[in-house]
Formats: sequence, C-alpha cells, structure tokens
Amino acid sequence: EVVLTQSPGTLSLSPGERATLSCRASQSVSSNYLAWYQQKPGQAPRLLIYGTSNRATGIPDRFSGSWSGTDFTLTISRLEPEDFAVYYCQQHTGSSYTFGQGTKLEIK
Amino acid sequence: QFQLVESGGGVVQPGGSLRLSCAASGFAFSSSGMHWVRQAPGKGLEWVAHLRSDGTFIYYADSVKGRFTISRDNFKNTLYVQVNSLRVEDTAVYYCATDLIGFGAFDIWGQGAMVIVSS
Repeated sequence: EVVLTQSPGTLSLSPGERATLSCRASQSVSSNYLAWYQQKPGQAPRLLIYGTSNRATGIPDRFSGSWSGTDFTLTISRLEPEDFAVYYCQQHTGSSYTFGQGTKLEIK
Repeated sequence: QFQLVESGGGVVQPGGSLRLSCAASGFAFSSSGMHWVRQAPGKGLEWVAHLRSDGTFIYYADSVKGRFTISRDNFKNTLYVQVNSLRVEDTAVYYCATDLIGFGAFDIWGQGAMVIVSS
C-alpha cells in the first residue's frame, strides 16, 4: 500500500503569504492519480487539484499543484482568509486509494 | 446539480450491524464508480470501499475487508454499504463520493452520515 506523508503537520501563516504544502509517497505514484482536498470544520472535503496539477471546477488560480519524483506539492500563492483549513493529498494505485494524514493551515 | 445524500447512520453496539445509503441525483449514477470514505472524530480521511459502475469491480480497505459490503441499485440511483461486526474504531462520519472527473479523485461528496459504535 502506498503511504502518503504530508508535511508540515501544521502551517501557521498570515493572509497574503504564500503556502507550500508537501506530500511524499512511499513508492511511485502516477501523476495522473494524485489529488488534493480542502476540508473545513463540519464540512465534507472539497476537491482542489486532480492529476497532480489540474484545478477542479471553480477552484481559484491561486491554487496550484506540482511534483518531482515521489514528492508532490500544493502551493497557494497568496492566502485568503477562507483558505485556512485542513488539506489532504490522496492517491490511487491499482485497487487502493490512500490519503495523507493532513496539513492544518492556520492563521498566524 | 450533482448531489449525494447519505442516510442510515446511528448508534450501534460493538458487534452490531448497520446499512448506510447514499442517494444520488443530478448525474448519470449508473455510469459512475462510487466510493465510501470515512473520518473518525478529529482524525483524517480513510478510503473504505469502491464499486465500479456496473458492479464488476469491488475494492475494500484492509481495515474493513470481510465486514463491510458495498452495493448499488442503479434503478434507484442509490449506493449502499452494509457494515457488520462493528468495532469501536469504526466510529466515524461516513461519506459517499464519486469520481466523475476520472483520475481516481473524488469530486462529488455527500454531507456524511455519523456512525457511533458504543456500548
């Protein structure tokens, strides 16, 4: 099973700053099958990025995804107040789907 | 508008059973692979099970294999999961989700159904 390790666990930043969230896979993951989600308290997750770098419908262009080898990155170019939430990466390989443990993005 | 609505959650004793339902609307349910994903209180997301649109492929997480059964009724546009031999650690919000976009990502989610396993 592919294990996804997200870092940092908590990221404290101010509105207007740039956020960089990391997700490392324990083995090779196809870039076609890596996604990122945002979750706010009491809400279902929302798909942000699919296929490593494709924004889902309605997602602002301040959100972007990239990768290098087994390291995947979600970047939020300039934080808005509504961006403070928990972010998860997720992969699909074969008959398995796994999520990272999450990164909490909090207001500094 | 795409919509998924879960129902059937509740409080059940360890060893008990429950069936969760997920009613779909606004998209071609019969052509869509469906999933269950759960989230224990204060914890992260855990994928639970997948059922292909035509029911030919079913996958489970190791943590639920042999205890959970995913199924669907394409005439009723409804997804199910039968959860048996429940354990305290199965306590979670259970979401149904689908992957309309392809790419193994979950783009449509329900609001979730809470299952509490407690004596």
